[in-house]
Amino acid sequence: GENVEQHPSTLSVQEGDSAVIKCTYSDSASNYFPWYKQELGKRPQLIIDIRSNVGEKKDQRIAVTLNKTAKHFSLHITETQPEDSAVYFCAASPLNTGNQFYFGTGTSLTVIP
Amino acid sequence: NAGVTQTPKFQVLKTGQSMTLQCAQDMNHNSMYWYRQDPGMGLRLIYYSASEGTTDKGEVPNGYNVSRLNKREFSLRLESAAPSQTSVYFCASRLGGAYGYTFGSGTRLTVV
Repeated sequence: GENVEQHPSTLSVQEGDSAVIKCTYSDSASNYFPWYKQELGKRPQLIIDIRSNVGEKKDQRIAVTLNKTAKHFSLHITETQPEDSAVYFCAASPLNTGNQFYFGTGTSLTVIP
Repeated sequence: NAGVTQTPKFQVLKTGQSMTLQCAQDMNHNSMYWYRQDPGMGLRLIYYSASEGTTDKGEVPNGYNVSRLNKREFSLRLESAAPSQTSVYFCASRLGGAYGYTFGSGTRLTVV
């Protein structure tokens, strides 16, 4: 099955700096890659996703890049704010109805005011 | 539009007791999932239902059973609870294809 690795496990940045979280996957059949943000005590929430036919996607201060050849994808957060502090999970999934997501182990991001 | 609703939110069980976690979605999603989340372990899939009438094991199915009651509802049963099942349980649903999960608010279960 798919194996998703995520790095780093913890990340601290100063407010206003950028944060980058990286994930690798093993199954070349995976072609949908969502990112989730989980605040303390809350449910994971989808913040951005990318499909395999796209190399980059942006949504305001958040961007995701995908390199299918190297089987890695990354989350970039610019101009970080304290409210960005949370645990972030990457995931990979084959693009078939019902197929499960394979999650990374999470990155705990702390933005220091 | 409630999304994914899980009940109960909190539960304390004694070892050996049984209980059922309920999950319902009102988004007409085809697929539903049960995950457990433990500190440092991320999200681990227990069981999933790709469509109404089907269920499949995930990464950590031992000690659990599921029922896809209809398209809306997917329940998780612990027949004989063990302390190792102390965790936060999340139900999720998904339309399918290139769409993400919508998670429920979670059930915090403690087995003593």
